[in-house]
Amino acid sequence: ELKVEQNPLFLSMQEGKNYTIYCNYSTTSDRLYWYRQDPGKSLESLFVLLSNGAVKQEGRLMASLDTKARLSTLHITAAVHDLSATYFCAVENTGNQFYFGTGTSLTVIP
Amino acid sequence: GAVVSQHPSRVICKSGTSVKIECRSLDFQATTMFWYRQFPKQSLMLMATSNEGSKATYEQGVEKDKFLINHASLTLSTLTVTSAHPEDSSFYICSARPGSGNTIYFGEGSWLTVV
Repeated sequence: ELKVEQNPLFLSMQEGKNYTIYCNYSTTSDRLYWYRQDPGKSLESLFVLLSNGAVKQEGRLMASLDTKARLSTLHITAAVHDLSATYFCAVENTGNQFYFGTGTSLTVIP
Repeated sequence: GAVVSQHPSRVICKSGTSVKIECRSLDFQATTMFWYRQFPKQSLMLMATSNEGSKATYEQGVEKDKFLINHASLTLSTLTVTSAHPEDSSFYICSARPGSGNTIYFGEGSWLTVV
């Protein structure tokens, strides 16, 4: 069974600060996704990483993938309040099934 | 762009009754759809893979007789929660991918409350 772990589970950070969320997974995969979820809502796609060494950036968020280490990171630069949400990574297996990480609840404090 | 729609978005049912949730791909065909469940403040857990024209594949620990999945057409999969209990109250989300491309689309989710 594919297992996906994120850390930290909870993150409280001040506006303007930087931080990284980590996503480790247990089996070989080169398809890694990051999603944002606001309370009571479905998933908003942030990044799709499809190869070793992939790096993507959008605004204050940057995601990377190291398939050899089975690790993806989501880096937050100069956080703002609007980034407060829960962030999930998800790994896709060869059957197109997604296995989600435990989630990181981010709160950005003014 | 491609959209996956779920209906209803919120439903309340009484214990012991059954409730059906629909997942539609609005502008593409999907031979495979996926159903996930999310309890409050928890992650999403894959429940089953819905296959058009054949039986669904259930994840370990998911009761196939309780969570009936029907994928009768290339644009519609339904999840029926039978004999619902309060512990079935959850957020149910489906996903689907067009035949080509890397993008997978998630539905808006359906909140089920069993009272």
